Amino acid sequence: AQSVAQPEDQVNVAEGNPLTVKCTYSVSGNPYLFWYVQYPNRGLQFLLKYITGDNLVKGSYGFEAEFNKSQTSFHLKKPSALVSDSALYFCAVNDDYKLSFGAGTTVTVRA
Amino acid sequence: KAGVTQTPRYLIKTRGQQVTLSCSPISGHRSVSWYQQTPGQGLQFLFEYFSETQRNKGNFPGRFSGRQFSNSRSEMNVSTLELGDSALYLCASSLRTPATDTQYFGPGTRLTVL
Repeated sequence: AQSVAQPEDQVNVAEGNPLTVKCTYSVSGNPYLFWYVQYPNRGLQFLLKYITGDNLVKGSYGFEAEFNKSQTSFHLKKPSALVSDSALYFCAVNDDYKLSFGAGTTVTVRA
Repeated sequence: KAGVTQTPRYLIKTRGQQVTLSCSPISGHRSVSWYQQTPGQGLQFLFEYFSETQRNKGNFPGRFSGRQFSNSRSEMNVSTLELGDSALYLCASSLRTPATDTQYFGPGTRLTVL
């Protein structure tokens, strides 16, 4: 089965600093990887996905992710974090039309 | 384009009751998937419907069921509610083709079982 792991429960950064949220994957075949964000009492918002092609994927709200096949990683990044980026972030892998999610990483950006 | 909508947003039920949740997908999307989110288990896949047929099913007991209508709207039903069914239930819609198509989520239905 396909799976992803998010090794950090929490990430704390200061506003204006770079933000990185880590994700590693374990798949057989080609990985189809996604990042979603969830704000309190809301559903999941799609940020970006990797299907094939360029290892650097650009997404919504200034986020990007780097696919690294040798390290089986798909880390989410933002060059300059905002307080409004504080939320719960999920990495996911498409496993036969269903998404398997990581446990989530809570990001707190302090002013 | 309107997003995925779910009704109701909040529900309070007691043990032993049953509940029906509704999901309307993005216009043109024919696949609807349901997920359960709890603090302990995280996000777990329940089932997926496409063209009124269940295509995928997660590891949940038979008390959890669903259906899809010809207009792609979907409902899920939970019978004989247990305390552990308290969760945020999310539905997501997609085109399903290609297989890598993005799933877009609704705001969820918060179910509390007392």
